Amino acid sequence: DARVTQTPRHKVTEMGQEVTMRCQPILGHNTVFWYRQTMMQGLELLAYFRNRAPLDDSGMPKDRFSAEMPDATLATLKIQPSEPRDSAVYFCASANVIGTTGELFFGEGSRLTVL
Amino acid sequence: DQQVKQNSPSLSVQEGRISILNCDYTNSMFDYFLWYKKYPAEGPTFLISISSIKDKNEDGRFTVFLNKSAKHLSLHIVPSQPGDSAVYFCAAVNQAGTALIFGKGTTLSVSS
Repeated sequence: DARVTQTPRHKVTEMGQEVTMRCQPILGHNTVFWYRQTMMQGLELLAYFRNRAPLDDSGMPKDRFSAEMPDATLATLKIQPSEPRDSAVYFCASANVIGTTGELFFGEGSRLTVL
Repeated sequence: DQQVKQNSPSLSVQEGRISILNCDYTNSMFDYFLWYKKYPAEGPTFLISISSIKDKNEDGRFTVFLNKSAKHLSLHIVPSQPGDSAVYFCAAVNQAGTALIFGKGTTLSVSS
């Protein structure tokens, strides 16, 4: 049963702490996305990779967020230092080349609460 | 600036009736659109899509309509069922064809 796996599912931390979220994309998918869901903005695209190379990270606050793909089975999203406004659900998704079909496969999300 | 807009945060419908969820977009270069459905504590899942060369696509109880001149699409669910209660996201494939741009979502509640 191929699926995107995200850890942790829930994280509560204090302002100023470092947070790292991890994602294992579906095997064989070459494109990995990070989205953030908030009530105000809905699903925001933060960054995405193709074949482990960053394609676009313009949606991320550059000063505190960083996204990497150390290898084809792991994507990470790091926030340092975290702030209360970062509280949201962070989704990882993977796909083969989007082309015109557009279907992404999402993980269950990491719910982050920054106090 | 939101390129994909879902202006109704919520919709309530009775079981058996039609649910109509609306979506507007600003970029006329978008040529593929999708709807995703999301249950609490789960990730969004693909529901139905439509290419800009079509004006309608149907899959069972779900139909998506596209009006290119108005830059508007809608999702019709007929008949609505309580299990359809979820958040529905409208999305467009970006111009580069590399990612999806989502709206803010509409929460549908279907009461029995």
